[in-house]
Amino acid sequence: GAGVSQSPSNKVTEKGKDVELRCDPISGHTALYWYRQSLGQGLEFLIYFQGNSAPDKSGLPSDRFSAERTGGSVSTLTIQRTQQEDSAVYLCASSFAILYEQYFGPGTRLTVT
Amino acid sequence: GIQVEQSPPDLILQEGANSTLRCNFSDSVNNLQWFHQNPWGQLINLFYIPSGTKQNGRLSATTVATERYSLLYISSSQTTDSGVYFCAPLGNKLVFGAGTILRVKS
Repeated sequence: GAGVSQSPSNKVTEKGKDVELRCDPISGHTALYWYRQSLGQGLEFLIYFQGNSAPDKSGLPSDRFSAERTGGSVSTLTIQRTQQEDSAVYLCASSFAILYEQYFGPGTRLTVT
Repeated sequence: GIQVEQSPPDLILQEGANSTLRCNFSDSVNNLQWFHQNPWGQLINLFYIPSGTKQNGRLSATTVATERYSLLYISSSQTTDSGVYFCAPLGNKLVFGAGTILRVKS
């Protein structure tokens, strides 16, 4: 079946603008995760959703970051008032449920100029 | 939170050589994943291994959960094995190590 897909693959934005990144998980997966990969911080967890439970937002670096998951499927990560330090590759993953094997999408490379 | 250490940080191999990558973690975990990040940035699942040994072709992995480490073995390395290898203990989320950068020369 289809894997995790993300869009756009690349995004260049000016400092101060808002951006939205999209993730389509594997069909039937109830858990969805966002991670970020940057040169200085490596791969770090941002947020996860499990079914209808409240999301775990413990990894979000600031209140400029938010995410939602509509209908238990597609998720959108929103970064408001982007800063240069937000430049990174944003990776989405999904799994059958929490604690199950996670599968990653190709990522969105965000560049803030 | 859990700490993850991978070694070595860098490794250069001649094609055909074998190697062992190590992952130490600081706390008990439910499971552990190994990934290969290819030159295009895609994270490819290698193993999902809470304990014991699994094999997939030229690759195998062993996790000793009681001693909090996991090993990834690569045998008869090929240039396509080049990239970054990550281990990531799995609780509610993955916690990634810094990775091992592997370069296989022909």
